[in-house]
Amino acid sequence: EDKVVQSPLSLVVHEGDTVTLNCSYEVTNFRSLLWYKQEKKAPTFLFMLTSSGIEKKSGRLSSILDKKELFSILNITATQTGDSAVYLCAVGCSSDSNYQLIWGAGTKLIIKP
Amino acid sequence: DTEVTQTPKHLVMGMTNKKSLKCEQHMGHRAMYWYKQKAKKPPELMFVYSYEKLSINESVPSRFSPECPNSSLLNLHLHALQPEDSALYLCASSQGGHSGRRWRDSPLHFGNGTRLTVT
Repeated sequence: EDKVVQSPLSLVVHEGDTVTLNCSYEVTNFRSLLWYKQEKKAPTFLFMLTSSGIEKKSGRLSSILDKKELFSILNITATQTGDSAVYLCAVGCSSDSNYQLIWGAGTKLIIKP
Repeated sequence: DTEVTQTPKHLVMGMTNKKSLKCEQHMGHRAMYWYKQKAKKPPELMFVYSYEKLSINESVPSRFSPECPNSSLLNLHLHALQPEDSALYLCASSQGGHSGRRWRDSPLHFGNGTRLTVT
C-alpha cells in the first residue's frame, strides 16, 4: 500500500532556530514530491521535487529529495513566528491512465517568540 | 488570497437542504479538484476533473454531486448531508491533466476553502 510518513508530527522551537522536517515515502510509480504550508485555510505550494540531489530554495526555505533512500527534507533557517503552520508533504504517483497524490499527516510547527 | 476563488467562505446547512459550493480559477489550468479536510488531517481527494470531464471519483457518496460547467468553474452540489460531512471543502486546480495517454505533473493550487457545518 502506498504511504507517505512525515516526522516529527509536531515541533516547537524558538524564533531564530533552524528546523528540518522529514517526509519518507513508499509508493509505486513515483512522479514527484510536493511540500505545502497550511496555516488556517488553503495549503500554499512551496516546492515540487522530481530529481534526486537537486536542492530547491526559496528564501529561508529549502528542500531536497533522495530517490534512492525515498525521502525528502524541508529546511527552514532563522525561523520566524510567521513560519508557524502545518507543513504537508504529498507524493504524486501515476500510471498512464490515472494519477494519485498521497498525502502525509503533516508536521505541526510552532515557533515561539 | 489565492488565485483559486471559492464561495461561500462559510456555510451552515440543515440535513434536508440543497446547497452548492463554487470554485473558479483563471489560470488556464486544465485539472480541477475537490478535497475534503477534517481538522488535523490532510486533505482527502473527492473528485478530479480533467479537461472538463470527471476523471476520478473517490467513491464519494451520491449526496455530493460535482459539476464542471467550463474549464474555469467547478461546482459541488450538496443534498441531504449528514453532520459528519462537516469539514473544510477545498477546491484546487493544476496545469496538469490527462493529456493524451498520461497525466502531466504540476503542483496543485488551492482555494481558501468553504467551511461547511451540517446541523
